[in-house]
Amino acid sequence: DTGVSQNPRHKITKRGQNVTFRCDPISEHNRLYWYRQTLGQGPEFLTYFQNEAQLEKSRLLSDRFSAERPKGSFSTLEIQRTEQGDSAMYLCASSRDRGTYEQYFGPGTRLTVT
Amino acid sequence: GQNIDQPTEMTATEGAIVQINCTYQTSGFNGLFWYQQHAGEAPTFLSYNVLDGLEEKGRFSSFLSRSKGYSYLLLKELQMKDSASYLCAVRDAEDTGRRALTFGSGTRLQVQP
Repeated sequence: DTGVSQNPRHKITKRGQNVTFRCDPISEHNRLYWYRQTLGQGPEFLTYFQNEAQLEKSRLLSDRFSAERPKGSFSTLEIQRTEQGDSAMYLCASSRDRGTYEQYFGPGTRLTVT
Repeated sequence: GQNIDQPTEMTATEGAIVQINCTYQTSGFNGLFWYQQHAGEAPTFLSYNVLDGLEEKGRFSSFLSRSKGYSYLLLKELQMKDSASYLCAVRDAEDTGRRALTFGSGTRLQVQP
C-alpha cells in the first residue's frame, strides 16, 4: 500500500496530557499538510510542509500544537496539555509540488480528550 | 480569505441524477476540488477544475464558473454506495504563498432505494 498512513488511528487521553501523532506521506510527495476535522464540518487547515520546511501555519495552531518533518519524509504533530476542545479527527495529506496539486489524505487519527 | 457554501444535506433515489452546488467568495483562486468522504473515512479526491467548463470522469462531472464563483458536482446513475459527504474545496492563488485547501462544510448525500 503506497497511500498516506497515519498512526495511531485512535487515541483517548485525559485532559492535560500530551499526545503525538505520526503521518507517513506518499513517498514521492514533498508537500505534507495537517488538517483537523470535527463532526459535520469540512477539514480545517493546520499547517503545511514543503520537504522539511514548515511554510505555513493556521491561526488555529495554538502554542500547544507543534509539528515537525525532520527529514522531509514522515511528520509528527504534537499537542501539549490537551483540552476537551482538541477532540477531533486529525488528517494528514500529501501532494506533489506540480500539476494539479491534488492532495491525498490518510485515514486520520481520531483524538478523544476526556 | 475564502468563504465556501454548499447545502448541508441532499436526498436522491438510486439510479437518478443529483447536482451538488458550491459557491465561493475568494481573495484569490487557483483551482476547485471535489472530495468524497464516507462516514469515518478520509476524503478521497474526485475532481479538479481550474478553468471554466465541465470536466467529466465516468459517472461524475464537475463544472466551474470562475466569474460567478460557482461550481457543481453532478453524479449520474446513483448507487447506494454514493451515500457520503461531498466536500468542495478551493485553493488560493499561487502568489499568495498559501498551499492549503479551504473546505466547505460538506453536503451529506443520502441515496435511497
